[in-house]
Amino acid sequence: SAVISQKPSRDICQRGTSLTIQCQVDSQVTMMFWYRQQPGQSLTLIATANQGSEATYESGFVIDKFPISRPNLTFSTLTVSNMSPEDSSIYLCSVSPGAGSWEQFFGPGTRLTVL
Amino acid sequence: KNQVEQSPQSLIILEGKNCTLQCNYTVSPFSNLRWYKQDTGRGPVSLTIMTFSENTKSNGRYTATLDADTKQSSLHITASQLSDSASYICVVSGGTSYDKVIFGPGTSLSVIP
Repeated sequence: SAVISQKPSRDICQRGTSLTIQCQVDSQVTMMFWYRQQPGQSLTLIATANQGSEATYESGFVIDKFPISRPNLTFSTLTVSNMSPEDSSIYLCSVSPGAGSWEQFFGPGTRLTVL
Repeated sequence: KNQVEQSPQSLIILEGKNCTLQCNYTVSPFSNLRWYKQDTGRGPVSLTIMTFSENTKSNGRYTATLDADTKQSSLHITASQLSDSASYICVVSGGTSYDKVIFGPGTSLSVIP
């Protein structure tokens, strides 16, 4: 299994500002993902973070709003830009070994509240 | 439309009792079905993974079943403990890529003494 840490664990931000969330994995992984979990709802995939290239975004999510970096196989960041109260959610980093494995491991999440 | 539905939405049981959570899906094609446990304030943790050919998979007191013909799965928890209080999420993969992974809304389980 993979151990995933996220920073910050929670934050309260003002409308119009940006927050960068960090995800660190204790081993090299092929696949890395960012999810959003809105209050009372299940997880929605934001994007797949690709090492060395631009992230692949799902429908409804754009790079200008959620820029993602993945400089190596153990680290990624997600920025929530120009925040509004609708961005208040839990943001989760997830990894998978890939290569035919469907196992997914999740970080503890970052609870974001936008005022 | 690919969907995953879970029932009940929430459940309260007494410590030591058994319970069964349900998952129905319309995802096609089908690759695999996973059950996750999500404690409050934490990320989901995998309990079981089942492919098309598997009917049952156990993990300690958790037993998952899969009927690929009727597109139904269940998660049975035996001799519940207070630490079982969590949200249980059914996840169905509909293809070979992660953008085809559909998360169910979850069942919130509360185990009371």
